[in-house]
Amino acid sequence: QKEVEQNSGPLSVPEGAIASLNCTYSDRGSQSFFWYRQYSGKSPELIMFIYSNGDKEDGRFTAQLNKASQYVSLLIRDSQPSDSATYLCAVKNNTPLVFGKGTRLSVIA
Amino acid sequence: NAGVMQNPRHLVRRRGQEARLRCSPMKGHSHVYWYRQLPEEGLKFMVYLQKENIIDESGMPKERFSAEFPKEGPSILRIQQVVRGDSAAYFCASLSTDTQYFGPGTRLTVL
Repeated sequence: QKEVEQNSGPLSVPEGAIASLNCTYSDRGSQSFFWYRQYSGKSPELIMFIYSNGDKEDGRFTAQLNKASQYVSLLIRDSQPSDSATYLCAVKNNTPLVFGKGTRLSVIA
Repeated sequence: NAGVMQNPRHLVRRRGQEARLRCSPMKGHSHVYWYRQLPEEGLKFMVYLQKENIIDESGMPKERFSAEFPKEGPSILRIQQVVRGDSAAYFCASLSTDTQYFGPGTRLTVL
C-alpha cells in the first residue's frame, strides 16, 4: 500500500513568517513529487513539482526533496493571509498520483 | 483550473438514482484521471482513461461505478443506484507531460 503522510494541522503562522509543510512517502521508487493548494470548496491547484533531490524555488515557494529520507517539504516565505488553505502533497511512480490528506495552513494577520 | 471543464458543478440525487458526471480535458489532451474527495479527506484515485481505453481502474469500486472516455465527447463517470456514502466531490484531472491539472469538480449530494 503506497502511502503519503502529512500532518493534518492546522498549522498557524503569523503574517510574514515562513510556513513549513512536510510530507513523507512510503514508496521508495517514487519519482515525481507535487504540491497542490486547495481552498475550501475549490479544486486543487498545482503550486510546484520537483523531481530531483535538493531545493527548487519559485517565488515565495521552495520545495525540498530528500529521497533517501523519503521526505518532501514546502516552504512558504513571507506568508500572507491569502495563503491560508489546505496543502496537498502528491507522489507518483509510474502510477496515478497518491495524495496525502493535506495540511491545513492558517496565516494570521 | 487550466481549461479542464466539469459539469454539472453540483448534483443532487435521491438514493437509488443514477448520477452522471462529465469531464472535458484541456484542449489536445487525451488522458483523464478521476478522483473522489470525501469531506476532510484527501483525494482518492478512481480511474485513469485514455480516449476509448481504460488504462487503470484499480481505485474504482467494482459495483455501481463505471467510466468511459469515448472518441468524441467528454469523459463520463457513472454511478448507478447512488447511496448516501457516494456524497463527495468528484474531480477530474487532465494530464500534461507529467503534471495533472484539475477541473472545478462536481459536488454530489445524495439525499
